[in-house]
Amino acid sequence: GAGVSQSPRYKVAKRGQDVALRCDPISGHVSLFWYQQALGQGPEFLTYFQNEAQLDKSGLPSDRFFAERPEGSVSTLKIQRTQQEDSAVYLCASSESTSPGETQYFGPGTRLLVL
Amino acid sequence: KQEVTQIPAALSVPEGENLVLNCSFTDSAIYNLQWFRQDPGKGLTSLLLIQSSQREQTSGRLNASLDKSSGRSTLYIAASQPGDSATYLCAAVPGNTGKLIFGQGTTLQVKP
Repeated sequence: GAGVSQSPRYKVAKRGQDVALRCDPISGHVSLFWYQQALGQGPEFLTYFQNEAQLDKSGLPSDRFFAERPEGSVSTLKIQRTQQEDSAVYLCASSESTSPGETQYFGPGTRLLVL
Repeated sequence: KQEVTQIPAALSVPEGENLVLNCSFTDSAIYNLQWFRQDPGKGLTSLLLIQSSQREQTSGRLNASLDKSSGRSTLYIAASQPGDSATYLCAAVPGNTGKLIFGQGTTLQVKP
């Protein structure tokens, strides 16, 4: 079946512009995670959804970052007034249940470049 | 706060060599530890998942061990192949949160 998909794959934004990144998880997966990966670093946790409920947003770096999953399926990560330090790859992952020990399946990521 | 460290940052070996990648974590209260592979421009692929009660997991030429008391995990790759060239990431799941805490990764190059 289809894996996790993300769009767009690449996004170039001017500093100050708002951007929206989309994640389509594997159908039926309850849990959804967003991570931010800077160049040469490991991914860092941003936020976690269980169905439509955002249970953990402790990793969001500022109030310019906002994520939603209104119907418990597709999720959108929005970044307002983008800054150069927001340049990174944004990864989405989903897992089948709410068990913390489950394998997370990752999408290919959206590479964001803020000029 | 859980911190995960991977050594070395980069490794280059000739084809056929056996090798070990190291991962250390600061808080032994983990739910599980996972190893991923990342190819350039692509997402992460899960390789092995070791539950906190387990000592090791094996998949083909890969073997991962876990020593919670010392805060260490190793990924052993037997008979390395050029197709194994990638970045390998370990990640700890702290408590019952589900979120992954990643190390910086080890970039492996296997030369033909």
